[in-house]
Amino acid sequence: AQRVTQPEKLLSVFKGAPVELKCNYSYSGSPELFWYVQYSRQRLQLLLRHISRESIKGFTADLNKGETSFHLKKPFAQEEDSAMYYCALRGGTSYGKLTFGQGTILTVHP
Amino acid sequence: DVKVTQSSRYLVKRTGEKVFLECVQDMDHENMFWYRQDPGLGLRLIYFSYDVKMKEKGDIPEGYSVSREKKERFSLILESASTNQTSMYLCASQSQNTEAFFGQGTRLTVV
Repeated sequence: AQRVTQPEKLLSVFKGAPVELKCNYSYSGSPELFWYVQYSRQRLQLLLRHISRESIKGFTADLNKGETSFHLKKPFAQEEDSAMYYCALRGGTSYGKLTFGQGTILTVHP
Repeated sequence: DVKVTQSSRYLVKRTGEKVFLECVQDMDHENMFWYRQDPGLGLRLIYFSYDVKMKEKGDIPEGYSVSREKKERFSLILESASTNQTSMYLCASQSQNTEAFFGQGTRLTVV
């Protein structure tokens, strides 16, 4: 079975503060991890994926297989980062089944 | 520009009705998914399909069925709609080497 857990439903920070959105996963094989974002009144879209190892909009995420985590980080939050964030896992041996966490609503205050 | 299109943005149906939600993608993706999105519960996978006529149950398939007769189209069927199926439904497609692309969502209200 594959499972994704995002322990925080809500996260509030002030502009310029660091932000970390937590994601833990459970999967017996080699997973592929993603972060998706949904801005107000927009469709869900990819933010970043672990195999790319790139920074998007200042966000980074590192896959820690020992801790089975894929936390999303940004050193200086901006108001436009306010959105719903979902962590997702794609299993390598399950026909590409894509499982999402419960989501975290990030609010960045001015 | 890649596209996943859901046939309706808003639907209101009566309890007991048979409801069809349609999703079409133009990217020749093998995999297609149906999720429901509820506050505090995130995206929960209802069904997915990895090829034409192939389907797999997700985490909450009860009360739903799906159909994939053509590669580009994936339909979600509520055999007898109930009020607890009021939700936002999201369709997505992906190939083995891409991320998932989502439709705009269908907000279904069952009264």
